[in-house]
Amino acid sequence: DQQVKQNSPSLSVQEGRISILNCDYTNSMFDYFLWYKKYPAEGPTFLISISSIKDKNEDGRFTVFLNKSAKHLSLHIVPSQPGDSAVYFCAASPNTGTASKLTFGTGTRLQVTL
Amino acid sequence: DVKVTQSSRYLVKRTGEKVFLECVQDMDHENMFWYRQDPGLGLRLIYFSYDVKMKEKGDIPEGYSVSREKKERFSLILESASTNQTSMYLCASTLHAGNTIYFGEGSWLTVV
Repeated sequence: DQQVKQNSPSLSVQEGRISILNCDYTNSMFDYFLWYKKYPAEGPTFLISISSIKDKNEDGRFTVFLNKSAKHLSLHIVPSQPGDSAVYFCAASPNTGTASKLTFGTGTRLQVTL
Repeated sequence: DVKVTQSSRYLVKRTGEKVFLECVQDMDHENMFWYRQDPGLGLRLIYFSYDVKMKEKGDIPEGYSVSREKKERFSLILESASTNQTSMYLCASTLHAGNTIYFGEGSWLTVV
């Protein structure tokens, strides 16, 4: 049972354009969401997060949007750069208990072309 | 900067061998995690620990055990490695619940 879904395994975008990566979740207990970026042979690195009390969070070229009623979040990268080519994972947490248990999506491979 | 170090980056082990994957973090984080990453499956949680000598099963604990004798070190143990445990293993840590999780660089394990 995949509680966090990234339905697009890959995405190709031209440099300078907007990249939109999507993520859907099913567990209504999730209230904290994160995006991670992963290059080959490296561990994921934190990119941006959003709490369920917000519907938008922005950090430079990266913006995450959260639609709680639709259980959907998206990551926008504007403008896209070749160095953004990586696998992007969304993750969700119920943010309860003594440890953070993140549930990850399956990832979307973004390729930014020249 | 937070540093999560996985001492072995690439390992090749034989079926039935006992395998230890070591992870050390230098930021006095309370919580530590072991994930595995497989194509098309994303990152799946194997075990996590929220304190020394404390551990909890994640989503796929079968075939694995863990040890946390010191706060900074969290070990993943494959008691008898099998070919379906060939994967990339990622260690992670976080200070408190709700904080950003930091990952190590990963350990590629091949079981032949």
